[in-house]
Amino acid sequence: DAKTTQPPSMDCAEGRAANLPCNHSTISGNEYVYWYRQIHSQGPQYIIHGLKNNETNEMASLIITEDRKSSTLILPHATLRDTAVYYCIVSPLYNQGGKLIFGQGTELSVKP
Amino acid sequence: EAQVTQNPRYLITVTGKKLTVTCSQNMNHEYMSWYRQDPGLGLRQIYYSMNVEVTDKGDVPEGYKVSRKEKRNFPLILESPSPNQTSLYFCASSLYLSSYEQYFGPGTRLTVT
Repeated sequence: DAKTTQPPSMDCAEGRAANLPCNHSTISGNEYVYWYRQIHSQGPQYIIHGLKNNETNEMASLIITEDRKSSTLILPHATLRDTAVYYCIVSPLYNQGGKLIFGQGTELSVKP
Repeated sequence: EAQVTQNPRYLITVTGKKLTVTCSQNMNHEYMSWYRQDPGLGLRQIYYSMNVEVTDKGDVPEGYKVSRKEKRNFPLILESPSPNQTSLYFCASSLYLSSYEQYFGPGTRLTVT
């Protein structure tokens, strides 16, 4: 499985956009980019996924570079409730056991 | 409300005393799995199930058993718990193994003394 690299921590002011980068330089052509977050030992929560194109949903936007070697998750107007660890995961759609390989993630702190 | 529930949420037990952590989902999902989360090791998959009566080992299955007799339930059984199974456990489900979104339960914090 491809590995991802994320900064260990980031701060963001409440109301501002939070841009969380992820490097996945060894991603394969059939691998998707997924983002999950975990709020203080709660169960991880799916945010968004993409293959090649940029994606947007009610929670966030995902920007994937043209070479697919990196991506950025954007929370457009961060709130205090967005404080969490954010995980960038790359995985094929059909993978062994359906498991998600969570790395160390980025701890995002949204400050008033 | 669509959800994955786990019980108990917290459990302190002693070495060797059999226990079961229940997991139930109300979304008619075929795929379910169990993870454990430990500091510095991230989340690791213990077992998974692609459908009723179909289960298989994940990355760290030693010391655990599972069963899938009904679609909605996927209990995790520790026949003889040991202190190294002290961990935070999560159950997850999705419509199919290949679904984009997995839903996670709230977690069960287990301490084995």
